[in-house]
Amino acid sequence: DVKVTQSSRYLVKRTGEKVFLECVQDMDHENMFWYRQDPGLGLRLIYFSYDVKMKEKGDIPEGYSVSREKKERFSLILESASTNQTSMYLCASSLSAYLAIHPTYEQYFGPGTRLTVT
Amino acid sequence: KQEVTQIPAALSVPEGENLVLNCSFTDSAIYNLQWFRQDPGKGLTSLLLIQSSQREQTSGRLNASLDKSSGRSTLYIAASQPGDSATYLCAPRTQGGSEKLVFGKGTKLTVNP
Repeated sequence: DVKVTQSSRYLVKRTGEKVFLECVQDMDHENMFWYRQDPGLGLRLIYFSYDVKMKEKGDIPEGYSVSREKKERFSLILESASTNQTSMYLCASSLSAYLAIHPTYEQYFGPGTRLTVT
Repeated sequence: KQEVTQIPAALSVPEGENLVLNCSFTDSAIYNLQWFRQDPGKGLTSLLLIQSSQREQTSGRLNASLDKSSGRSTLYIAASQPGDSATYLCAPRTQGGSEKLVFGKGTKLTVNP
């Protein structure tokens, strides 16, 4: 079974702090994603990585950065946390449709991190 | 730009009822469509993935259908149980080189005992 883990289930940080959210997958997936989920707005893609050290901006990258130094790990960084970044953060991974022999392309999600910025 | 709509936004049914959740998308050029379940405060669990060449995909009491040309998918749940209570999301993967999914806002299902 694919396993995607996130470093914390709940996190409380203060405004202005630098925040790191970590995500690890154990299935050698090429693609990794960071989403945030807010009531009424649904899931929105923040950043996407399709290979080590490769990244692509999603729909709402402002205020965030990412790091992918190893294939299994994808970090989301809030450089200076603000209250409007209080949200549920979800990490996901998938095989690359261009590399997989039978690209079913399922995305697998982690349990989420509920971040509160005060 | 792909847009995904799920109707209804919320649904409450008695246990045992068969039900249908609807998903529509504006760009029919998709590779596949994935249905997910999300329990409150949790991550998403993949239920079914239906390829663009398929009409239906089944897993237990769940059946997903896809009409790509009309931009619609349905998730049929047979003999609903209280444990089916959750939010259900659909997400098509659009052609064009991107590996991103676009999500609907979901249907919140409550199955009453």
